[in-house]
Amino acid sequence: DIQMTQSPSSVSASVGDRVTITCRASQNVRGRLAWYQQKPGKAPKLLIHAASTLQSGVPSRFSGSGSGTDFTLTINNLQPEDYATYYCQQANNFPFTFGQGTRLDI
Amino acid sequence: EVQLLESGGGSAQPGGSLRLSCAASGFTLSSYVMTWVRQAPGKGLEWVSDISGSGRADYAASVKGRFIISRDNSQNMLFLEMNNLRADDAGTYFCAKGFYENSHDWFDSWGQGALVTVSS
Repeated sequence: DIQMTQSPSSVSASVGDRVTITCRASQNVRGRLAWYQQKPGKAPKLLIHAASTLQSGVPSRFSGSGSGTDFTLTINNLQPEDYATYYCQQANNFPFTFGQGTRLDI
Repeated sequence: EVQLLESGGGSAQPGGSLRLSCAASGFTLSSYVMTWVRQAPGKGLEWVSDISGSGRADYAASVKGRFIISRDNSQNMLFLEMNNLRADDAGTYFCAKGFYENSHDWFDSWGQGALVTVSS
């Protein structure tokens, strides 16, 4: 199975900050990577797909980049509603696998 | 509007069984790969199983031989039959819709989740 490793596991930031989360795959997943946001007690929400394509309705302060094995999620001008846990997911090889999550808090 | 609504969660003893259902609306179920993803309490997301529109199923190694995924396109329903449950099967189970028609990729719509507890 492809291992997805996110860093950091948790990060503290303030409103207005820029935050970058990285995701590293143990094998080449090309550009077949997605990012999700999950708030406590809620289902995950798709933010980015195909490594850098913003999902419809997601604010433009979210952006994704990377290909192959190294990917990043960047959140500019952090807003209060962005405090959540973020997961990457590879969709290149079965079984599809997720990173362990990055918790973003104040 | 796409909606997914899980039901059937609850408590079971180790070795017992549960059947989860996911009612889909707002899209043509038969055109999409549907997936079950689970989350143990306080833990991350784990892909469990998916099924194509034609009925081809795939399973995570941890559930293969114990869980059965199925779908009834005419009733817009997705199911997960869970047998020989173990303590590490406990958690919230989400049904999720594939992004593109007839393609295995990321998930653009999720249900609210069904809670499964396994305890003697």
